Amino acid sequence: EVQLVESGGGLVQPGRSLRLSCAASGFTFDDYAMDWVRQAPGKGLEWVSGISWNSGRIGYADSVKGRFTISRDNAKNSLYLQMNSLRAEDTALYYCAKARGYSAYDELDYWGRGTLVTVSS
Amino acid sequence: EIVLTQSPGTLSLSPGERATLSCRASQSVSNNYLAWYQQKPGQGTRLLIYAASIRATGIPDRFSGSGSGTDFTLTISRLEPEDFAVYYCQLYGTSLLTFGGGTKVEIK
Repeated sequence: EVQLVESGGGLVQPGRSLRLSCAASGFTFDDYAMDWVRQAPGKGLEWVSGISWNSGRIGYADSVKGRFTISRDNAKNSLYLQMNSLRAEDTALYYCAKARGYSAYDELDYWGRGTLVTVSS
Repeated sequence: EIVLTQSPGTLSLSPGERATLSCRASQSVSNNYLAWYQQKPGQGTRLLIYAASIRATGIPDRFSGSGSGTDFTLTISRLEPEDFAVYYCQLYGTSLLTFGGGTKVEIK
């Protein structure tokens, strides 16, 4: 059974940093791309970033480019999101999602339950 | 950047009825790289359809996707109680993945 478990969320002040992690199990992690998707309270889904199976292709939404960095450790079956210079508008539930293929831009066939990031002073 | 517009915002129907959800793209979608997702509070997000019309693994055949170019449709042939949820379309296959704003299917 595919499982994706996010961690690392919490309350952080504007301008500070936070690192999210996603522990994956139940599939061959290094065969698939992985993504982060977020959802602000009461709002819709917003794609944040994606990384290909071998980290060779990485993409970011314009809203986070230059501030967020996605990475993965295939040996640890883990996905990460380093979030710097956080803003109030980054407040959201952050989901880790598995892509159906190996590219950074594929559809997402499994999702975690999310970790909440709140940016507030 | 392609923008996806979903309509209606809310659909009020009864169990057993047919649901038709629309997703319109501001430009033509290459290779029909359009997916549909279902999101239920406390139950996560599930991929229903990819490549506009292919059902994902384990998805009941009452769910079907159609369309091409700029106009796409998700149809639920007969609503079951568990189908009342929010549905999102998504453009993929480009460096800027995009979601539509969502359609909520609620019990009438």
